[in-house]
Amino acid sequence: EAGVAQSPRYKIIEKRQSVAFWCNPISGHATLYWYQQILGQGPKLLIQFQNNGVVDDSQLPKDRFSAERLKGVDSTLKIQPAKLEDSAVYLCASSFMGQRNEKLFFGSGTQLSVL
Amino acid sequence: GNSVTQMEGPVTLSEEAFLTINCTYTATGYPSLFWYVQYPGEGLQLLLKATKADDKGSNKGFEATYRKETTSFHLEKGSVQVSDSAVYFCALSDTGGFKTIFGAGTRLFVKA
Repeated sequence: EAGVAQSPRYKIIEKRQSVAFWCNPISGHATLYWYQQILGQGPKLLIQFQNNGVVDDSQLPKDRFSAERLKGVDSTLKIQPAKLEDSAVYLCASSFMGQRNEKLFFGSGTQLSVL
Repeated sequence: GNSVTQMEGPVTLSEEAFLTINCTYTATGYPSLFWYVQYPGEGLQLLLKATKADDKGSNKGFEATYRKETTSFHLEKGSVQVSDSAVYFCALSDTGGFKTIFGAGTRLFVKA
């Protein structure tokens, strides 16, 4: 079974530039999550999709971050413009139905450095 | 709001030592509780879970018991190996929007 695919693996940009990350979840998984993991901290949920609808985006900085999941499959997370504090690993995860007792399957993440 | 607090690391142990990593949570209702592990160079993966009070999750020699009276889910292993060196994350999935919230992580080093 193929896992959650993310790209790119690493990205270095200057502040105020824009960047986009891509995620392809496990086939058949309805729920997709984007997490931000700052060095030394646990993952923080940015946005959760159920199929192509948003379930929770309460912690997404909407003035600069946006995300979409067209056709309920793969997803793109964008930052525009980037700030220094956006330096982090961006993790994509998926689960079958997004139920309370389901485990999340994580991708390897995209490490973003904003200079 | 819901939150997870786990002991700060790093934790350094010798091989075959007993491991405990403390985790407590704050949540309304009856969340599911999880331990995820991140080995060096790898992505986060589920280690074990428990979905109701007094349930014990176990995997690879690790155990954790869902204690509602103390709102805890401590991770234990009787005899650690060098290969257990990793970062361990305690997490909960709430009963509202099924959002999974993670603790800050505890790094474990096991010396041969």
